[in-house]
Amino acid sequence: GAGVSQTPSNKVTEKGKYVELRCDPISGHTALYWYRQSLGQGPEFLIYFQGTGAADDSGLPNDRFFAVRPEGSVSTLKIQRTERGDSAVYLCASSPIGQQDTEAFFGQGTRLTVV
Amino acid sequence: AQSVTQLGSHVSVSEGALVLLRCNYSSSVPPYLFWYVQYPNQGLQLLLKYTSAATLVKGINGFEAEFKKSETSFHLTKPSAHMSDAAEYFCAVWKGRRALTFGSGTRLQVQP
Repeated sequence: GAGVSQTPSNKVTEKGKYVELRCDPISGHTALYWYRQSLGQGPEFLIYFQGTGAADDSGLPNDRFFAVRPEGSVSTLKIQRTERGDSAVYLCASSPIGQQDTEAFFGQGTRLTVV
Repeated sequence: AQSVTQLGSHVSVSEGALVLLRCNYSSSVPPYLFWYVQYPNQGLQLLLKYTSAATLVKGINGFEAEFKKSETSFHLTKPSAHMSDAAEYFCAVWKGRRALTFGSGTRLQVQP
């Protein structure tokens, strides 16, 4: 596609449930990033993939959060036993090669609300 | 650790007035700095980036930013604000681990 696509755009779930958030990066981009943006804050880094592997997962807040990118394109962010504090906008970005001076292209995000 | 601080969570200007959004960075080495804009219900869009090639960086939509090492600043400016500039603006620095660290953002309002 032309840009980074994230689905769903909105997700409401009950506390304790499991959710999956999907990211389709720009075709050919090897680097993929997940960020979380809480209300009134800037995005916070969660995890970075280079190809199929997680090159840096230091931003994942705890072991309830997990992300995969099995074929080096689409990525899924998985959250187990959701908590109200997980409510935020989850942003995905991709870039051609993941180097620091290349532009990262962002999707519109998935707004997760845990009730 | 590299970080950025944005001064002023809200800035309001009149249409046609100068826009100045402030960003200060903390870094022990010359950083890679970025400004992103976020329009309502849209993804982040890159305005401009500093990668040490030139201290005055010109971006899209008439925005520019000047890297000042002595002040550890990378403020964003635009000579004349348009109504369409109303959005949230984020300053960001490249972390050592190949991901961006964002400031808390500045919401720009443009009054007619």
